[in-house]
Amino acid sequence: EDQVTQSPEALRLQEGESSSLNCSYTVSGLRGLFWYRQDPGKGPEFLFTLYSAGEEKEKERLKATLTKKESFLHITAPKPEDSATYLCAVRGGSEKLVFGKGMKLTVNP
Amino acid sequence: NAGVTQTPKFRILKIGQSMTLQCTQDMNHNYMYWYRQDPGMGLKLIYYSVGAGITDKGEVPNGYNVSRSTTEDFPLRLELAAPSQTSVYFCASSSFEQFFGPGTRLTVL
Repeated sequence: EDQVTQSPEALRLQEGESSSLNCSYTVSGLRGLFWYRQDPGKGPEFLFTLYSAGEEKEKERLKATLTKKESFLHITAPKPEDSATYLCAVRGGSEKLVFGKGMKLTVNP
Repeated sequence: NAGVTQTPKFRILKIGQSMTLQCTQDMNHNYMYWYRQDPGMGLKLIYYSVGAGITDKGEVPNGYNVSRSTTEDFPLRLELAAPSQTSVYFCASSSFEQFFGPGTRLTVL
């Protein structure tokens, strides 16, 4: 059974304090690992797709990396507007995604 | 492009009432999905569809029904609402990455 575990469940940072969010996964035949951002009261917003170990993608202050067992979302010099819940999901052999429970990030000014 | 749209945004139902949550996408995606999101529980797949006329159960299908008569529309039907169906419902569509609608917040009293 495909599984995704995100840690920590919540993280508080000061503005400018860099950190990383972890997504551990088990999946039969990884076809993609996805990161989403979700603001309160809104639907998840797509950020990145990673397809194979060693791949990296960047967007503004965010960089996602992938190994065979986990993915990291690195946040460099975060700003208060980066505060959100970040979701990780994997896709194996089917058309379905398996999501983690999410990680709530709060960045204080 | 409007992307994925959902109506209504909010709804309060009494126990035993029925309703249909509407979902429309304009990206010509074959795959569509319905999720529910409860606090601390992540996204749970209710039903999904790989194309018009084809639907399948997800992780938590009990108490729900779906149909897919067109590529664009994927309505979710609640026949006899129960308090356990109080949740936020998200529709998504995909060609590979999933794109989400804004959600419907449903309360059953």
